[in-house]
Formats: sequence, C-alpha cells, structure tokens
Amino acid sequence: LAKTTQPISMDSYEGQEVNITCSHNNIATNDYITWYQQFPSQGPRFIIQGYKTKVTNEVASLFIPADRKSSTLSLPRVSLSDTAVYYCLVGDPYNFNKFYFGSGTKLNVKP
Amino acid sequence: EAQVTQNPRYLITVTGKKLTVTCSQNMNHEYMSWYRQDPGLGLRQIYYSMNVEVTDKGDVPEGYKVSRKEKRNFPLILESPSPNQTSLYFCASSPGTGIFETQYFGPGTRLLVL
Repeated sequence: LAKTTQPISMDSYEGQEVNITCSHNNIATNDYITWYQQFPSQGPRFIIQGYKTKVTNEVASLFIPADRKSSTLSLPRVSLSDTAVYYCLVGDPYNFNKFYFGSGTKLNVKP
Repeated sequence: EAQVTQNPRYLITVTGKKLTVTCSQNMNHEYMSWYRQDPGLGLRQIYYSMNVEVTDKGDVPEGYKVSRKEKRNFPLILESPSPNQTSLYFCASSPGTGIFETQYFGPGTRLLVL
C-alpha cells in the first residue's frame, strides 16, 4: 500500500483556486489515486479518482504527472463551505482491502 | 434513504466497562469498516469486513473486536475500554472492496472513556 504525504494545512481566500499536492513516491503500476473530503464532525466523502493525466468532475480536478509520484487536487474558486480536511489515498483496485487515510490536509478558506 | 447509521452517537463510560457501538447499512453493501479519528493522527482503520463472517484487522485493531453475522450489521465491541480509546469513531460501507468503490460513512460516534 503506497504511503502518501500531504501538507498538514493550507489557507486560502474565497474565490481563489486551491491546489493541494499529495506525494506518493512508491506508487505501484496498478495503483489508482483517490481523494476524499471531510467536513467537521462528519465522515469523509469521495471527491475524485484518477490513474494518470487529468480528471475533472463537477467538484474538482485531479492532475497526475507522467511519473505518477505525486498528484494535485485542484478546487476552483473556493468558498467558505470548502473548509474541510482533504485526504489522498493510493491503492491497487484489484488488491485493496485496507484504507489508509493518513492525517490529510486541513484547508481553511477565509472570507 | 440509503444510509449508514451508528448508535449511540455520544457515549461516556468508565474504564473496563464493556460496550458495543452498532453500525447498520441499508444498501446491501458487502464491505464494511470501522475507523477512529484522533487529532493529529487522522483517520485510522480498526477492522474491516469483506462479507458476512469475513473480518480482518486494519491498522489499529488492538482493544477492539468486531463481528459480521449479517450483511447489514457490523458492531464494534470494546471488551474493556481504556482512556486511550477515547476517540471519534466512524463506520463505513461500500458495495465491494477496492479503491474504485466509494465508501459511505456513518455520522460518527464520539466516545469518552474515563
């Protein structure tokens, strides 16, 4: 199971684009990258998932460089309601029973 | 409504008094899991179950037991709680195993062991 490293916290202002980077140097060939979001006193919820290049949905974009040793979650024009902890997970979809969320990145959006 | 429910939501107990936190899902999911969340340590997996009668240890299983006798229920048992088990606990379920499968989390159970 590939270990991930994320910044502990980040600050931003409303309307800005926020990029949160996750390092996963020992990612394996079959591993996918998944991001979850957790609001205070709630369980995490799935945001986005990808294998390579770029993935975009209605919530965020995920950028994965060619070497796949890192990934960047991009949140466009954040609002106060985007204040949350963001977790990066890496795993092989065909051999992934344990989940390692780590400490995540606490994003604080200011007015 | 599709959901994962946990009971109780809040619990204060004393050291050594056995307790059970229930978890139930109504989505016919095969995979269920328990996590604890502590400040600075993030979310850590305690136990998981890939199906009825199939359970396995996560990263921090010491001091906990689980059982999966029915598909919908996955109780977390603390036989002899200690203060270091004071934490916020989450139950989660997903249709199957694998990182493709989105996990659905319950509302959490805040436990204080005195």
